[in-house]
Amino acid sequence: KQEVTQIPAALSVPEGENLVLNCSFTDSAIYNLQWFRQDPGKGLTSLLLIQSSQREQTSGRLNASLDKSSGRSTLYIAASQPGDSATYLCAVRPNFGNEKLTFGTGTRLTIIP
Amino acid sequence: EAGVTQFPSHSVIEKGQTVTLRCDPISGHDNLYWYRRVMGKEIKFLLHFVKESKQDESGMPNNRFLAERTGGTYSTLKVQPAELEDSGVYFCASSQGPGRATNEKLFFGSGTQLSVL
Repeated sequence: KQEVTQIPAALSVPEGENLVLNCSFTDSAIYNLQWFRQDPGKGLTSLLLIQSSQREQTSGRLNASLDKSSGRSTLYIAASQPGDSATYLCAVRPNFGNEKLTFGTGTRLTIIP
Repeated sequence: EAGVTQFPSHSVIEKGQTVTLRCDPISGHDNLYWYRRVMGKEIKFLLHFVKESKQDESGMPNNRFLAERTGGTYSTLKVQPAELEDSGVYFCASSQGPGRATNEKLFFGSGTQLSVL
């Protein structure tokens, strides 16, 4: 049974700093991994999707890496801004024929102005 | 482009009552998913529609939950009768379908906060 862990559960950093959020999963046989952002009272917004054959994906100040063999992914946020404050979730998809995502419990990020 | 729409945004009902949640996916998205998050736990899969067909309903907790997607457009999730442990946030998501990686991104609605008293 796949388990996804995100540590820490909460993180506070001063504005302008670079930061890394971590995601680990127990079963390395995944099809892809997504990072989502959730703002209070809002739905989830997909930030980056990494296929199992890829090592990283970049979008603006965000960079997500994937090390499938070790069951780890990181989300790097450069030059953090107060607007980056949100809960960040990672989710893995098992294989092509199975679209059931397994989510981590998320990291609540606060950027201090 | 309109996103995934869910309503109501909040629902407060008493144990034993019936509640129906609705989801309107992004137009043209064949895949529709229901997920839920109960207090303090991770978001968990409930079921997956491809057009009007149930592709995977392995996450449905029990037979008090009934999901439909008539005509392959919007979907409803009915809970009857509701129990205390059904409280949580119910999310709907949609995606275009297999093929290019960008078609596999999930777009989530804002969720329905269900409180069973």
